[in-house]
Amino acid sequence: GDSVTQMEGPVTLSEEAFLTINCTYTATGYPSLFWYVQYPGEGLQLLLKATKADDKGSNKGFEATYRKETTSFHLEKGSVQVSDSAVYFCALIGTALIFGKGTTLSVSS
Amino acid sequence: EAGVVQSPRYKIIEKKQPVAFWCNPISGHNTLYWYLQNLGQGPELLIRYENEEAVDDSQLPKDRFSAERLKGVDSTLKIQPAELGDSAVYLCASSLGGKDGELFFGEGSRLTVL
Repeated sequence: GDSVTQMEGPVTLSEEAFLTINCTYTATGYPSLFWYVQYPGEGLQLLLKATKADDKGSNKGFEATYRKETTSFHLEKGSVQVSDSAVYFCALIGTALIFGKGTTLSVSS
Repeated sequence: EAGVVQSPRYKIIEKKQPVAFWCNPISGHNTLYWYLQNLGQGPELLIRYENEEAVDDSQLPKDRFSAERLKGVDSTLKIQPAELGDSAVYLCASSLGGKDGELFFGEGSRLTVL
């Protein structure tokens, strides 16, 4: 069945460092792909999405490109901030969202 | 616009007791989801509703879990009796539906079973 695999955390970075969180997927066809974020004490919220191959989703300085050939959707940000500390989930949509296990990001000043 | 509302936020019960969680989706969202999130894991789908019909409940442990969505709006998820392993966060989400429809999540109900 469909599944999502993302890199295990925690990821610990200093402010202004470059961030990459890897995500690969297994699916029938070409599902839409998502990154959700969960800030401490808050609910899950959509960060960005891409609906077809080669699409780039972007929001709040984060980017991810839908790569069909490598079945990947890696999350990147050029310069992280302390406020980016959260848990990040990669997901794909079948009849419902299927999530990866999440990657905890901790950014220190 | 109000988001997805869940209650209670926290619940502590002893094993074998019943518990119920309530969800009010965003107005106009026909699709409602209940997810289970264990500590350190991603959310896993329990049940999906299209209006009042449960269209995917294959992952719902039906011996102890039940859900309903009367009138296609609010939904209730019940566990009876609760077991220690049910300790987790229960998330409700809603969407307009469709393949690319964004899911909007509530803050979750954290259950602790002692």
